[in-house]
Order: sequence, then C-alpha cells, then structure tokens
Amino acid sequence: QVQLQESGPGLVKPSGTLSLTCAVSGGSISSSNWWSWVRQPPGRGLEWIGEIYQTGYTNYNPSLESRVTISLDKSKNQFSLNLTSVTAADTAVYYCARDPSFDFWGRGTLVIVSS
Amino acid sequence: DIQMTQSPSSLSASVGDRVTITCRASQGIRNDLAWFQQKPGKAPKSLIYAASSLQSGVPSKFSGSGSGTDFTLTISSLQPEDFATYYCQQYKSYPFTFGPGTTVDIK
Repeated sequence: QVQLQESGPGLVKPSGTLSLTCAVSGGSISSSNWWSWVRQPPGRGLEWIGEIYQTGYTNYNPSLESRVTISLDKSKNQFSLNLTSVTAADTAVYYCARDPSFDFWGRGTLVIVSS
Repeated sequence: DIQMTQSPSSLSASVGDRVTITCRASQGIRNDLAWFQQKPGKAPKSLIYAASSLQSGVPSKFSGSGSGTDFTLTISSLQPEDFATYYCQQYKSYPFTFGPGTTVDIK
C-alpha cells in the first residue's frame, strides 16, 4: 500500500517561499506514475498545482506556473513543492497525491501565509 | 482550461435514499473523469476513475456513468458514512480541474 506524507513549515511570511516535501513509502517514486500537488483553501474547493514524472518532467497549472517548482529526489523517495512570492491567497491545505488516478493521497498539511 | 460544474451544490437525503450527482465539463473529455469523496478534515478519497471504474476497495453502492461532457455519480443506498462532499475531476487535459463539489447532508 502506497503512503504519502507531506511535511514542511505551517507558517510562511508574505512574499516568502512555501516549501513542502512529500515522502513516498510502500512504493517507488521511480515507478510509472506521476506525482501531484493539490491545494484546498479553507472552506473551498480543490485546485491542482502541478505534477512530476520519474524523469523529472513537470506539468504546472498556468495560474501558478510562474511561481511553482516541483522537483524529485529519488534517493529519498520523495518529491517537493516550492511556491514563491506567497500571499494570503496561498493559505491552504496542501496535499500530495499519486496520479493520474489520484488513488493515493497524503493527509494534507495546512500552510498559513501571515506575518 | 476545462471548466467543471456540478449539480446540485448541496442536497439533503435520508439513510437508504438513492442519490445522483451530476458533473458537466465545458468541453468533451471522453471518459477522463474521476470522482472523489471528502469528509471534513480529511484528504479526498478516490471513488471512481475513467468515469465508471470503481477504485479498489470502494463499495459497489457507488457507480459512475457518462462520457463526453455529462457524467453522473450514483450512490444506490445512502449510509451514514456517505455524508460528505463529492468532487468530480477531469484529467483529459492540463490543467486538471475539479468541480466545485456537492455536499450531501442528512435530511
């Protein structure tokens, strides 16, 4: 059973960089899957941020593309999200998930953007 | 971007009811559609992929249908654990997009 676990700071200052990591266990990040980040502002719906393949190839949501980087660390079996120039609008629960079937998700981590 | 809409936005139902939720895509997405269930404070859970294929371990009371632009999720007999918010998602083209959600609560 594949398990994913997000980690990272729960509070980020405005204009700063949000950095999260998703650790994958029970399976290899080098398998034939894509790995996604999805976020959910409090009380609102789901927004897909982007994804990465084992080769390092990425696809991003154009609405965030200028600020987003997703990377892979095969040696640690994890992938990461960096979101720059954050504002209060980036406050959300951030989830990592395996796609395209989105069959496995992490529990999510709340990131608050505030000074 | 492909826009996803859902109806209704919320519904009240009783245990044992048959419930149907509709999802519409702004353009054809073949059958590249998934359904998720989310309970408060929890991550979304995959129910259906490829419009009608049941995810492993998901009870058969859940079923999906549709192709192109119109899709439905049906719960055949609502149980207390089914009260939640349901989202559809297209993965036909980038960016992947989700519907706004349908909240199913107790009548």
